[in-house]
Amino acid sequence: AQSVTQPDIHITVSEGASLELRCNYSYGATPYLFWYVQSPGQGLQLLLKYFSGDTLVQGIKGFEAEFKRSQSSFNLRKPSVHWSDAAEYFCAVGPRNTGFQKLVFGTGTRLLVSP
Amino acid sequence: NAGVTQTPKFQVLKTGQSMTLQCAQDMNHEYMSWYRQDPGMGLRLIHYSVGAGITDQGEVPNGYNVSRSTTEDFPLRLLSAAPSQTSVYFCASSLGGKETQYFGPGTRLLVL
Repeated sequence: AQSVTQPDIHITVSEGASLELRCNYSYGATPYLFWYVQSPGQGLQLLLKYFSGDTLVQGIKGFEAEFKRSQSSFNLRKPSVHWSDAAEYFCAVGPRNTGFQKLVFGTGTRLLVSP
Repeated sequence: NAGVTQTPKFQVLKTGQSMTLQCAQDMNHEYMSWYRQDPGMGLRLIHYSVGAGITDQGEVPNGYNVSRSTTEDFPLRLLSAAPSQTSVYFCASSLGGKETQYFGPGTRLLVL
């Protein structure tokens, strides 16, 4: 069965420092890959997605993610974190043969930003 | 556009009570879904719909019913609430099956 692992439950980063959030997936074939962000009390917002092509994907709010097939990973990065980036981040995978309604989500990584 | 709206924001139920969580979208999206979010777990799909009159089960459908009589609305019904249904519920919609999903702000449900 497909699964998504986000090994870090919490990460604390100083404002202005770089950020990398890890995501590994287990899947029979290369799935669609997503990163979502959830601010406190809000629903999820899509940051970026990978379908095919260039393995480095640019998203909103200055985020990017790199798909590495050999490592089954899709890590999220940002070169300089802002205090407003404090939120929970979810990695998700979706099968290519169905719609995105059957996304499988990771357990999330909560990002804390220190001054 | 209001996007995806959910009501109520919070609800407390007693075991055995029934209720309906409302979800509406004004983007003319065909696809709508219900997820639940529990501590330490990612979102899990409860039910989804690919258009008016068409619904299907997700990963955790037991204890929940849905119907889709209009494109705009996708209510989630709990017929007999159980403490295990204490969770945060999110509704989402998308234009098509492989389009970006837009999430509502969530409904926090506590079942005593």
